Amino acid sequence: QTVVTQEPSFSVSPGGTVTLTCALTSGSVSTNYLPSWYQQAPGQAPRTLIYSTNTRSSGVPDRFSGSILDNKAALTITGAQADDEADYYCLLYMGSGVWVFGGGTKVTVL
Amino acid sequence: QVHLVASGGGVVQPGGSLRLSCAASGFSLSTYGMHWVRQAPGKGLEWVAFMRYDGSHKWHADSVKGRFTISRDNSKNTLYLQMNNLRTEDTAEYYCATMGSGQQLDYWGQGTLVTVSS
Repeated sequence: QTVVTQEPSFSVSPGGTVTLTCALTSGSVSTNYLPSWYQQAPGQAPRTLIYSTNTRSSGVPDRFSGSILDNKAALTITGAQADDEADYYCLLYMGSGVWVFGGGTKVTVL
Repeated sequence: QVHLVASGGGVVQPGGSLRLSCAASGFSLSTYGMHWVRQAPGKGLEWVAFMRYDGSHKWHADSVKGRFTISRDNSKNTLYLQMNNLRTEDTAEYYCATMGSGQQLDYWGQGTLVTVSS
């Protein structure tokens, strides 16, 4: 069974930079998996940040960027702000009508 | 403006059934593929099901296959999730979402809570 893994947690200082990753337990993540990223603040529905590896959704600040790094999908927050404190999830499209979320990363800004 | 409102959640006993609805406004549901996603209390997101814009194809996660069925009524601008033979592990907030051009989940509804408990 395909498992998508993310770091459980990260801490970043205000104004700092943090890179979250999204990996497969078996194999490499490439653009073919059309990785997307979602932000979820406590008690709220998820919000779409990035799709197709590196395309920002409408209204998403440019301090959020997506890429492929070392065979993993990556989300980088540059110049972190207090309201970036949230859970972040990646999603991979496995093909044949199957999508798989990563376990999520809790980002703390302090 | 795209707006999705999920409803139909509640408390149900194990083995019971529920039907969730996702009403769309501000756009025509018939132009979008649609997803259901769930989140158990304190846990991460889990993809549940997807249906193409025209209803021609549907797919379900292995964890719900044979018990849950996604459907849609484009004339009512509404998406559904029929959930049968519910288990305690199906307890979760259920979200509906549109599919975007890059196979991403695009616009999200606010979620409806399903609690399976005796």
